[in-house]
Amino acid sequence: QQQVKQSPQSLIVQKGGISIINCAYENTAFDYFPWYQQFPGKGPALLIAIRPDVSEKKEGRFTISFNKSAKQFSLHIMDSQPGDSATYFCAAPSFRGSARQLTFGSGTQLTVLP
Amino acid sequence: KAGVTQTPRYLIKTRGQQVTLSCSPISGHRSVSWYQQTPGQGLQFLFEYFSETQRNKGNFPGRFSGRQFSNSRSEMNVSTLELGDSALYLCASSYRTGDNEQFFGPGTRLTVL
Repeated sequence: QQQVKQSPQSLIVQKGGISIINCAYENTAFDYFPWYQQFPGKGPALLIAIRPDVSEKKEGRFTISFNKSAKQFSLHIMDSQPGDSATYFCAAPSFRGSARQLTFGSGTQLTVLP
Repeated sequence: KAGVTQTPRYLIKTRGQQVTLSCSPISGHRSVSWYQQTPGQGLQFLFEYFSETQRNKGNFPGRFSGRQFSNSRSEMNVSTLELGDSALYLCASSYRTGDNEQFFGPGTRLTVL
C-alpha cells in the first residue's frame, strides 16, 4: 500500500510568515497530488492539487512545489494569516487491483499567531 | 448545490453496541467513500461504493460494513463496537469511482464508552 509521509506534525508561524509542509511518497506511477485543508468541526476540503508533469503550481498565497526525482511535494503558504490555522493533509492515489483510492498523510496542524 | 451531508453529527454508544451512519452525496455524484479519522492515524480509507457496488475496501475488520442505495445515499455500519472505534467518520463523494477530487462531508463524531 502506498505510504505518504508528511511532516511536520505541527507548525507554529507568525502572521505574515511562510508555512512549509512536506510530503514524501513511494510510488512513481502516481499522477495527482492534492492538498486538503480541514478546519475544526468540518470535513477536509480540496485546497490545491498538482500533476507530476509540472514542478510548481500557485493559487493565490498557496503554492505546491513538486520534486519528481526526490518523490516529494510541498505546500507553501505565503503571508500566512490567522485564518489559515487548520490541519493540512497531503494525499496521493494508490491502487488496490483496479480500484483507485486516495491515501492521506498524517496531517499537519498549522497555527498562525496574530 | 448542496454539499455532502452526514447524519447524525454526534453519536455516543457503549461497547458491544452497533451503529449506523448515513451519508447523502452531492446531487449527481455516484461514488461515496468512507474514511475514519483519528488523532493518531489520520484519515484511513474504509471503503468506496459506486452504483450500489462496493468497489474498494481498506484494511478494516469485517465489523465495518456499508451499502449504497439506488439514489447514491450510503450507510456505514459498525457492529460490536470497541473503544478504539471512537473517531470522526467522514464521507466523501465524487462523480465517478476513481475520480481525483473528492468532496467531504462534516463527519459523524462517534464516541464509544
